[in-house]
Amino acid sequence: GIQVEQSPPDLILQEGANSTLRCNFSDSVNNLQWFHQNPWGQLINLFYIPSGTKQNGRLSATTVATERYSLLYISSSQTTDSGVYFCAVIYNTDKLIFGTGTRLQVFP
Amino acid sequence: ETGVTQSPTHLIKTRGQQVTLRCSSQSGHNTVSWYQQALGQGPQFIFQYYREEENGRGNFPPRFSGLQFPNYSSELNVNALELDDSALYLCASRIPGGGELFFGEGSRLTVL
Repeated sequence: GIQVEQSPPDLILQEGANSTLRCNFSDSVNNLQWFHQNPWGQLINLFYIPSGTKQNGRLSATTVATERYSLLYISSSQTTDSGVYFCAVIYNTDKLIFGTGTRLQVFP
Repeated sequence: ETGVTQSPTHLIKTRGQQVTLRCSSQSGHNTVSWYQQALGQGPQFIFQYYREEENGRGNFPPRFSGLQFPNYSSELNVNALELDDSALYLCASRIPGGGELFFGEGSRLTVL
């Protein structure tokens, strides 16, 4: 089956710093989503981005489907950005296959 | 606000018992799927329902079953609970033909 790997697994930042999270997938996919999971477990939709680039405030994402990777950029990070970031892909069927996650901690 | 609500938010059961978790989706979201997230891991696909029929299943045993109702609500039932069933259970829904899934806040199950 398809493999979805994220890097780095852990990231510690000071407030105001920028960061780039990466998602690599091993096969062609139909869809790709980025989520932020808060400490209470809620999966918050960040981007639905099977290809191209999107921006939403301090966050932006780029998916290069032909090269099988996606990047999530966080600028001017805030403590509320802390949590786990997942990318998830849909390939072959309707199910989402989640990556390994990146745990982000932002300190004041 | 995703429009997907789940209940209960937390519950504790003992091994061998049965549990029913509930999910209510937005009107028009006739595809619903359930995921299990163990501590420290990413969510794993359990199964998906479309128009009240199961149309996809992950690597979970038959004691995990579900129902979907015409009013966009659904249930996940787990029989003969095992300790390893302790996890966060997430419900997700989407519009017909749409790709983006929206998740509820989850039901956290503890099996003692």
